[in-house]
Amino acid sequence: GQNIDQPTEMTATEGAIVQINCTYQTSGFNGLFWYQQHAGEAPTFLSYNVLDGLEEKGRFSSFLSRSKGYSYLLLKELQMKDSASYLCAVRTGTGAAGNKLTFGGGTRVLVKP
Amino acid sequence: KAGVTQTPRYLIKTRGQQVTLSCSPISGHRSVSWYQQTPGQGLQFLFEYFSETQRNKGNFPGRFSGRQFSNSRSEMNVSTLELGDSALYLCASGRGIEGTQYFGPGTRLLVL
Repeated sequence: GQNIDQPTEMTATEGAIVQINCTYQTSGFNGLFWYQQHAGEAPTFLSYNVLDGLEEKGRFSSFLSRSKGYSYLLLKELQMKDSASYLCAVRTGTGAAGNKLTFGGGTRVLVKP
Repeated sequence: KAGVTQTPRYLIKTRGQQVTLSCSPISGHRSVSWYQQTPGQGLQFLFEYFSETQRNKGNFPGRFSGRQFSNSRSEMNVSTLELGDSALYLCASGRGIEGTQYFGPGTRLLVL
């Protein structure tokens, strides 16, 4: 089966750093995604890791360790607008181009002034 | 470049009815996936279409079906609606070669 775990909720202060962890056990692995979802809106793409290591994109960084089934999303210099849910998703599916995403439950991040 | 569009944005139906939702992917994208999002179950994969063929399927009953047209637009149909089908239905499109998928705004379905 597929199992993706991430914390339910995290609170941090504006300007600080927050790290959201995601562990996964899936049958098949073709990459890991992080999405941001504000309440009432659709998920927006943040990052995609398919190889081990750190991917940096502005204030956001994502890390992957395939051998440990582990990823994290790092949010730096937190802003109030970063208050949202952050979704970890593993790409599985048939063939090299399969696009089935299995999502974790999401981590709600609350940024306080 | 225009994003993924979904119609309608909101829908109210009663139990037993059927509903059809539409999704237009980003231009050039051939993969369209459908997801159901509920507070209790989170985001769950329904199915994926690529070049008019269903390529992947989630664990939903046969009441949920879909199709894709030659222009990559996709429709999702739910027959014999149940109260538990109330959810946000999201469509995502991708090139199909790389994994990045981009979501549309969703259709919020309420079944009474």
